[in-house]
Amino acid sequence: GESVGLHLPTLSVQEGDNSIINCAYSNSASDYFIWYKQESGKGPQFIIDIRSNMDKRQGQRVTVLLNKTVKHLSLQIAATQPGDSAVYFCAECLSFGNEKLTFGTGTRLTIIP
Amino acid sequence: GAVVSQHPSRVICKSGTSVKIECRSLDFQATTMFWYRQFPKKSLMLMATSNEGSKATYEQGVEKDKFLINHASLTLSTLTVTSAHPEDSSFYICSARISSVGTDTQYFGPGTRLTVL
Repeated sequence: GESVGLHLPTLSVQEGDNSIINCAYSNSASDYFIWYKQESGKGPQFIIDIRSNMDKRQGQRVTVLLNKTVKHLSLQIAATQPGDSAVYFCAECLSFGNEKLTFGTGTRLTIIP
Repeated sequence: GAVVSQHPSRVICKSGTSVKIECRSLDFQATTMFWYRQFPKKSLMLMATSNEGSKATYEQGVEKDKFLINHASLTLSTLTVTSAHPEDSSFYICSARISSVGTDTQYFGPGTRLTVL
């Protein structure tokens, strides 16, 4: 069936460097994408979202890029900090307002001091 | 804003007992809440969608008689794991949806760690 996955399960980045977390999705009908951050023993925290009519969206230190041609989503975190260490999930939704999210498998980001 | 709480945060129970988990939206009303299950080092799997005042919609493979969901108000949904068994041990997470003009986001609770002995 349709699925959302990630290229790398783990990623280690030196503090202060930029990090890029990738996500591949297979449902070309998906219209809305979200990145979540999950720290150990906690629920996912919303980071940033993007709709399919955009290819880039920026937040505070984070940027999400969407390439619908190759069905690829990425999360860029600038100037990483120790507090960025967590598992990051991408999630897709068939349409904005559709409700149902399908989560990817997650990438563990570790920031090395 | 957009805070979602869960209670309890951890629960240990004996096999065969039932456990109730509460999910509350603290500073907003949520017509829709969701229940997820997460195994260690795995992703979140949607169990059911809970709409206030109506029956929950369960995902394929989720037993509705095993996982009872009640969404009695716009700020509270409960998940009851009935006759729990060790294989029900997991991290259960709820989310509440905010939907308005330009916004449609799920905010997640902190999760409940269930251990069935």
